[in-house]
Amino acid sequence: AQTVTQSQPEMSVQEAETVTLSCTYDTSESNYYLFWYKQPPSRQMILVIRQEAYKQQNATENRFSVNFQKAAKSFSLKISDSQLGDTAMYFCAFMKPSSAQKLVFGQGTRLTINP
Amino acid sequence: GAGVSQSPSNKVTEKGKDVELRCDPISGHTALYWYRQSLGQGLEFLIYFQGNSAPDKSGLPSDRFSAERTGGSVSTLTIQRTQQEDSAVYLCASSRGGTRYEQYFGPGTRLTVT
Repeated sequence: AQTVTQSQPEMSVQEAETVTLSCTYDTSESNYYLFWYKQPPSRQMILVIRQEAYKQQNATENRFSVNFQKAAKSFSLKISDSQLGDTAMYFCAFMKPSSAQKLVFGQGTRLTINP
Repeated sequence: GAGVSQSPSNKVTEKGKDVELRCDPISGHTALYWYRQSLGQGLEFLIYFQGNSAPDKSGLPSDRFSAERTGGSVSTLTIQRTQQEDSAVYLCASSRGGTRYEQYFGPGTRLTVT
């Protein structure tokens, strides 16, 4: 079974700083997808970014980018120029297309952006 | 367009009662998922519907849990004889299906069993 590990339960940075959230996963699959989701206090899970395992290029979405190291099974999220609205729980998730397309989540990192 | 909606937003029930949680997916999305989020277990997959195929129920924790999806759209998650350990936030998500794997989540239903 796949597992996803987020080793940082909590992080805190100042507004406008850059922050990197860590995620590692364990799988024997070669074809899979990785995602970062954000869950603010409103409870709504919001998709931040996705990465296909077969793509070597790291995904980027505006201020959000990933560092995908397939051999190391690492998938970190970098948030540049952090904003107060980035305060949330962040979840890393793994998905194997052949397995009901279900997401396997890490335990989450609580990120606080301070003014 | 409208996102995934869930009702009720919060539900308090007594131990032993049955509850029904509802999910309206994004229009046109063929895939629908239920997850459970609790302090002790984190986010867990419960069940997956794809079009008219038989659902994948591999994540349901016991036979007290069941779900159905009518007309390929609205889904209802039913928990019979609720227990205190069922207290959690139940999240619904939908996706376009096929090779579009992004899942879009609803706001969840917070279930409290007293």
